[in-house]
Amino acid sequence: EAQVTQNPRYLITVTGKKLTVTCSQNMNHEYMSWYRQDPGLGLRQIYYSMNVEVTDKGDVPEGYKVSRKEKRNFPLILESPSPNQTSLYFCASSHRSGAVTIPTDTQYFGPGTRLTVL
Amino acid sequence: ILNVEQSPQSLHVQEGDSTNFTCSFPSSNFYALHWYRWETAKSPEALFVMTLNGDEKKKGRISATLNTKEGYSYLYIKGSQPEDSATYLCAFNEYDTDKLIFGTGTRLQVFP
Repeated sequence: EAQVTQNPRYLITVTGKKLTVTCSQNMNHEYMSWYRQDPGLGLRQIYYSMNVEVTDKGDVPEGYKVSRKEKRNFPLILESPSPNQTSLYFCASSHRSGAVTIPTDTQYFGPGTRLTVL
Repeated sequence: ILNVEQSPQSLHVQEGDSTNFTCSFPSSNFYALHWYRWETAKSPEALFVMTLNGDEKKKGRISATLNTKEGYSYLYIKGSQPEDSATYLCAFNEYDTDKLIFGTGTRLQVFP
């Protein structure tokens, strides 16, 4: 089954304790992205990756890191989480059509990770 | 900072009513406009991706139109059903960038 998986689905942690949220897709998609969703603010893009070893900042990258060592995986790393990073996080992936660098193809979203930082 | 706005914020309709809502986006440097349907406790699911001015897309009772010159897209639902209750998100791709900017969504509730 074609899907995007995220782990963990729920996480409660404390300020300053490094954590990683994994994201994996089995559709051979080039483009992967992380979003956070906060009430009243909608989905905001944190980081995205056009392909292996290529990552770029979205609109709210502060406090986050990502890596894209393999095509299928795009982990989100919080080196020193703070309470303002409490949020619902989504990973998404899509194809990149040929030479077109913009993800006009449909994005497939993972199930979400609800993170609470105390 | 690019602004993508959706209206109304929320909408309550009776089963069988037809409804529509709006997504406004910058008209310059347009590349693509996406619509997603997001049910509570689930992940957003893609409805449409539109790239051409005047595009119209349809999926069952849901359809969308696109006006890139004036910077808006409409989503229509014909004969709303309770299972249409969800938040409908639009997202904008600017030309020559890889970012996707989402609106805050229109929350639709359809009462039996």
